Amino acid sequence: DSGVTQTPKHLITATGQRVTLRCSPRSGDLSVYWYQQSLDQGLQFLIQYYNGEERAKGNILERFSAQQFPDLHSELNLSSLELGDSALYFCASSVSQGVHEQYFGPGTRLTVT
Amino acid sequence: ELKVEQNPLFLSMQEGKNYTIYCNYSTTSDRLYWYRQDPGKSLESLFVLLSNGAVKQEGRLMASLDTKARLSTLHITAAVHDLSATYFCAVAPSGYALNFGKGTSLLVTP
Repeated sequence: DSGVTQTPKHLITATGQRVTLRCSPRSGDLSVYWYQQSLDQGLQFLIQYYNGEERAKGNILERFSAQQFPDLHSELNLSSLELGDSALYFCASSVSQGVHEQYFGPGTRLTVT
Repeated sequence: ELKVEQNPLFLSMQEGKNYTIYCNYSTTSDRLYWYRQDPGKSLESLFVLLSNGAVKQEGRLMASLDTKARLSTLHITAAVHDLSATYFCAVAPSGYALNFGKGTSLLVTP
């Protein structure tokens, strides 16, 4: 158990819908990262937050957005969902904004039908 | 564009044998990470290699880093079934996000 929690574990929804994925980092970690894992694209970095501020963006679609709250938990919002958005979404956390060891949560498996 | 290439992508090996997984990357990075993923599970950090020439060992796994050659290796000694998993290497040249290879799916058979 890495200490990073993610909810929900599974999510099934229809095309065009909007969902919110939630992540709580390890105690004391200020950085949160979101990654998407799919068979087509592999593991891709989406976005990083550090202490409430966006720090880096990767291959994140405009339909996706994220934020980190004062209590350091983070949410990833996915809207206008398409079939191709079906994937495993991981949250990771690290102690600072430079890349130290990142600890991954259990993931949220999103299925868009 | 940053490329992180692992080979082989699939590896079937007998218990008791040795093998090496290779990870090449295309841009300067003084850190390299190895993760393990079991089917349907999360990623578990195995090694963080922080400098040229770094070598780390844990059990039957040993990882090394050559930053000049932009190459890391993950050596498996006397494989056992419990090592069956997918192994990912990753680099973070920008100092933030991890850029992963495609992963090496390892199957250890009796």
